[in-house]
Amino acid sequence: EAGVAQSPRYKIIEKRQSVAFWCNPISGHATLYWYQQILGQGPKLLIQFQNNGVVDDSQLPKDRFSAERLKGVDSTLKIQPAKLEDSAVYLCASSNRTSPLHFGNGTRLTVT
Amino acid sequence: AQSVAQPEDQVNVAEGNPLTVKCTYSVSGNPYLFWYVQYPNRGLQFLLKYITGDNLVKGSYGFEAEFNKSQTSFHLKKPSALVSDSALYFCAVRKGYSTLTFGKGTMLLVSP
Repeated sequence: EAGVAQSPRYKIIEKRQSVAFWCNPISGHATLYWYQQILGQGPKLLIQFQNNGVVDDSQLPKDRFSAERLKGVDSTLKIQPAKLEDSAVYLCASSNRTSPLHFGNGTRLTVT
Repeated sequence: AQSVAQPEDQVNVAEGNPLTVKCTYSVSGNPYLFWYVQYPNRGLQFLLKYITGDNLVKGSYGFEAEFNKSQTSFHLKKPSALVSDSALYFCAVRKGYSTLTFGKGTMLLVSP
């Protein structure tokens, strides 16, 4: 099966600019996750979707981060405006109720 | 709240020797426990999981882990380490289908 696809792989922006990341999950996986992985730390959940509904966004900084999964398939995560501390790898993952999470290769964001 | 502790930032082992990467968890009720591995510039890959049943679970690449309820531990083990096992290892826990919480990771370095 095809894995979780993410783009872009790398992105460098200046602070206060905006950026968007895209994720296409494994076909048939109803649950989609966005994680933030800061260097030296474990992944931290930003938002979890079940189909096109939000299950958990308690750790999403909603003043600057937004995410959508309009048709219940692919998803976009946006940051506007970016801060230096947003520099991290953004990981997308998907699963169904019985499977472990399958991760994409991530997008490495550098904010200068 | 659920949490995971990986007490070692780094584990060093010689090729051919057994390895152990430690993990303890905190969650109310019965835990679902996971180990993931991350190679440089890649997403996380699933290694193994414990849901219920036999306390010793076997996973990919010869890895295994032992669930110990009294010690709230889920240590990752391999009888004979390979240089190619060198990577970042994450332990994770969730209760039922709740959010998956990761530890901070342990870097495993296997020397030739």
